[in-house]
Amino acid sequence: QQPVQSPQAVILREGEDAVINCSSSKALYSVHWYRQKHGEAPVFLMILLKGGEQKGHDKISASFNEKKQQSSLYLTASQLSYSGTYFCGTESPSTGFQKLVFGTGTRLLVSP
Amino acid sequence: NAGVMQNPRHLVRRRGQEARLRCSPMKGHSHVYWYRQLPEEGLKFMVYLQKENIIDESGMPKERFSAEFPKEGPSILRIQQVVRGDSAAYFCASSSRGTGQKADTQYFGPGTRLTVL
Repeated sequence: QQPVQSPQAVILREGEDAVINCSSSKALYSVHWYRQKHGEAPVFLMILLKGGEQKGHDKISASFNEKKQQSSLYLTASQLSYSGTYFCGTESPSTGFQKLVFGTGTRLLVSP
Repeated sequence: NAGVMQNPRHLVRRRGQEARLRCSPMKGHSHVYWYRQLPEEGLKFMVYLQKENIIDESGMPKERFSAEFPKEGPSILRIQQVVRGDSAAYFCASSSRGTGQKADTQYFGPGTRLTVL
């Protein structure tokens, strides 16, 4: 039931790119992406609604393929501040609107 | 504009005691969600509340856990007779609208880290 994220962990050098995937076994209404640094609250990045939309924020963008029940988060020209654990939160008609089911998480470390 | 507030930030309880966690949503938000995060794990949904109503409590353990969001004051997550397995970070999130027809952004508070001795 929990969305599966891949990879589980990734190490980058500053300036490199990364892709984080989120895959669900359920039909999805929306996908929410968050970044959490150790000991801190999850910080909202973006939300994607069904319709196959893409969104971008600075050098972070995401896509949502509702047919495949998958979303991907793209990090380009990574910065040190991108380090943290990334979670996708999925909203599904079958589990209830407003109830986010979070993925397994992807740990990202950006080194100088 | 203050964000989601939670207190206390850290709470230590002995087995068998009660824990009360408070959450004040962002200004203008009337929907509150509680999530639990065990060490090195993801966030697990517990309960979704609106003012004076529990909308979805499918993630709440059947015993010892309760939540409320009164007309006045913060939302409270109450854990009675705590056990060591309750040790976790408890996050509250809030959103402005929950029509069920449009996804709303949930903004998280700093969390309460509960340690049960």
